[in-house]
Amino acid sequence: SSELTQDPAVSVALGQTVRITCQGDSLRSYYASWYQQKPGQAPVLVIYGKNNRPSGIPDRFSGSSSGNTASLTITGAQAEDEADYYCNSRDSSGNHPFGGGTKLTVL
Amino acid sequence: QVQLQESGPGLVKPSETLSLTCTVSGGSISSYYWSWIRQPPGKGLEWIGYIYYSGSTNYNPSLKSRVTISVDTSKNQFSLKLSSVTAADTAVYYCARTVAYYYYMDVWGKGTTVTVSS
Repeated sequence: SSELTQDPAVSVALGQTVRITCQGDSLRSYYASWYQQKPGQAPVLVIYGKNNRPSGIPDRFSGSSSGNTASLTITGAQAEDEADYYCNSRDSSGNHPFGGGTKLTVL
Repeated sequence: QVQLQESGPGLVKPSETLSLTCTVSGGSISSYYWSWIRQPPGKGLEWIGYIYYSGSTNYNPSLKSRVTISVDTSKNQFSLKLSSVTAADTAVYYCARTVAYYYYMDVWGKGTTVTVSS
């Protein structure tokens, strides 16, 4: 299956740690990439591969994977991290679906 | 640094063909994949497909029958055509540079809104 499943919404207290998950069979074979999207803006890559951050992405963002689940962890969430987060991966048929997205609220 | 800019009509009539172009500046179109992604109003991201600079393509199976992505290396541009559009194709369309092996999208255009309406 090429479907990736994310929780629609997650909240975190300012300065605390939050994990956003992405589930799918394809994640047993392929890494996910993670994108942050703020209202009215284009998505921004925050994590790719095993646990790689593009230049300019704070080190409070990290990625991990286990079985059919990929996770994006924000350690010490900041107000500016409030956004929608999407996972993306490929599957064995060559499709590259996105997850449905998780709306992160920082309280 | 590399920048991407989408361009094309903002309004397309039902049953017609949507055509968009992405211009790559600040770098070469060679040695990368180039993707199109869309986002309907208030909804999530949908991968449409990508093209390698050499011309090989890969499309979302759900759109494959209607999608054509092409590349013009001489102009540092790649393009999207989506035929037989309906209101469900109304969305913000993004182009993005895609890095091989992990296939992550590291540079995105700002997006362009396309509305399908008569």
